[in-house]
Amino acid sequence: DAKTTQPPSMDCAEGRAANLPCNHSTISGNEYVYWYRQIHSQGPQYIIHGLKNNETNEMASLIITEDRKSSTLILPHATLRDTAVYYCIVRVAGANNLFFGTGTRLTVIP
Amino acid sequence: SAVISQKPSRDICQRGTSLTIQCQVDSQVTMMFWYRQQPGQSLTLIATANQGSEATYESGFVIDKFPISRPNLTFSTLTVSNMSPEDSSIYLCSVWTGGYTEAFFGQGTRLTVV
Repeated sequence: DAKTTQPPSMDCAEGRAANLPCNHSTISGNEYVYWYRQIHSQGPQYIIHGLKNNETNEMASLIITEDRKSSTLILPHATLRDTAVYYCIVRVAGANNLFFGTGTRLTVIP
Repeated sequence: SAVISQKPSRDICQRGTSLTIQCQVDSQVTMMFWYRQQPGQSLTLIATANQGSEATYESGFVIDKFPISRPNLTFSTLTVSNMSPEDSSIYLCSVWTGGYTEAFFGQGTRLTVV
């Protein structure tokens, strides 16, 4: 699986958009980009995933660059409850295990 | 979606003893996964548990230390054997949805070995 690189930490003001970057420059054509988050003392929570098109759901938007070497997770209106560690994961289509990196610790500030 | 229940949610154990962690899913799944999260670290896959066959372990994890049972399609156990303080971690169970688009995780078992 391709390796991902994320900044170790970020801050975001409450109510503002949180933009979390991820670099996956060695991604292959059949690998998806997944985002999970882990709120303190809880199991990881699925957020969104995509292959090459931008995706949006009720939680977030995923913007993948045209060359697919990087992506950005956007939380449009961050709240205090969005404070968590966010993991960007590249998953081969059909693979059943997820390889977690070190993630980005997002702190939403009042 | 899938709802995963893990028991116990936390435990404090003496070194040299063993602890069995249970994972119950509200639907039938082919594969179940066990992860470990050491303090301040990310998640590491321990093994994949298939019903009716032996578990498949990742590099660095062995069956004698982490025996796994998978008696049916909704249940699995992970045993942490002969524990030492280095085994203090959060242990998490995970499954994929039927379409293999989302993986769901239990809330984890926080183990402290003293």
